[in-house]
Amino acid sequence: GESVGLHLPTLSVQEGDNSIINCAYSNSASDYFIWYKQESGKGPQFIIDIRSNMDKRQGQRVTVLLNKTVKHLSLQIAATQPGDSAVYFCAENYSGAGSYQLTFGKGTKLSVIP
Amino acid sequence: DTAVSQTPKYLVTQMGNDKSIKCEQNLGHDTMYWYKQDSKKFLKIMFSYNNKELIINETVPNRFSPKSPDKAHLNLHINSLELGDSAVYFCASSPVGRFGYTFGSGTRLTVV
Repeated sequence: GESVGLHLPTLSVQEGDNSIINCAYSNSASDYFIWYKQESGKGPQFIIDIRSNMDKRQGQRVTVLLNKTVKHLSLQIAATQPGDSAVYFCAENYSGAGSYQLTFGKGTKLSVIP
Repeated sequence: DTAVSQTPKYLVTQMGNDKSIKCEQNLGHDTMYWYKQDSKKFLKIMFSYNNKELIINETVPNRFSPKSPDKAHLNLHINSLELGDSAVYFCASSPVGRFGYTFGSGTRLTVV
């Protein structure tokens, strides 16, 4: 949902620890979800995606979990590194709307403590 | 080569002026978008355009207009700039379908 007027949630993690970033999405009909990473001064970069017919997908050091029952998405980052410090966004899309526009959730700022 | 490039990267202008932000993609994608990111980092779709169809977010003021001279370009023109237009504007593109979204590096617009 929209986060205008709210502070950006922040997660601080020690280097080497695992990070879990959570996202509540808004449309129960959404069938495609993406996680993006946005570093300071840059545009969002694709990390990993998942379709609604799956509940888990793994990439390199990252895992996305999808719980459609409670409309919840999480991103797990293993062995967090300083280069992982960024703002992370989840985004959703509903193919039935006939549009490819992504609806973004509010971001979470990840700070990695060396 | 930059896949989605925006110019300028920074734009400072006075209230009431008209300005344009340019976007070009060299990925051969069919659909291009403009997103607005506010001071709280919230990203919101403004337009999507695929040479056949323009989809406008109804909350976008009509002072904002996308212009696409060809499939590789989608420029954003803004009339009568207001203080509240200050934000970072991102261009993005995707192939036919919703996968493979690629964002540009953003244009920081400051209206004074």
